[in-house]
Amino acid sequence: AQTVTQSQPEMSVQEAETVTLSCTYDTSESDYYLFWYKQPPSRQMILVIRQEAYKQQNATENRFSVNFQKAAKSFSLKISDSQLGDAAMYFCASCLAGGTSYGKLTFGQGTILTVHP
Amino acid sequence: KAGVTQTPRYLIKTRGQQVTLSCSPISGHRSVSWYQQTPGQGLQFLFEYFSETQRNKGNFPGRFSGRQFSNSRSEMNVSTLELGDSALYLCASSLETGRNTIYFGEGSWLTVV
Repeated sequence: AQTVTQSQPEMSVQEAETVTLSCTYDTSESDYYLFWYKQPPSRQMILVIRQEAYKQQNATENRFSVNFQKAAKSFSLKISDSQLGDAAMYFCASCLAGGTSYGKLTFGQGTILTVHP
Repeated sequence: KAGVTQTPRYLIKTRGQQVTLSCSPISGHRSVSWYQQTPGQGLQFLFEYFSETQRNKGNFPGRFSGRQFSNSRSEMNVSTLELGDSALYLCASSLETGRNTIYFGEGSWLTVV
């Protein structure tokens, strides 16, 4: 079974600053995917970034980047030049690539990010 | 193209009733999965359908069921509603497996009174 842990219930950052959200996971599989989703007050889950476990290179999407440490089973999200619109709940999630776990995302508990002007 | 569409967005039901929620995936997506989100339990996987077949199921009682139609639209049903079923129900779709990006709908808010 997979588990995903986000140890920071809440984080805050000043506008234009950088913040890092932590995530650790556990799986015995070698082929899996990791995600960060953003859930604003509207509750729509929005994909922020996706990492394929077999890729060594860390994924980046504009101001968002990850630090993927496969051996340590760590997957942190760095948000650079934070904006007010980044304020939301952020979820770390994992998904196996195949087998009997098709389409099953395992989520962490979430981190509430507050952005101060 | 249109995103994942869930209906209804909000509904209130009475204990003991049943409810059906609908999800239309992104065009071309054949995998549809459902999640329950509550303050206490967080996000929990309910089940996943692909080509009208349930491929995976979470740890929920048999009162929770679902199905998928030939056009990939999916419905989930909760029978004999309990107060604890009050939650945001999220539907997600992807092309096939976790190899593809998983997109979410806006959710259906269910309140059981």
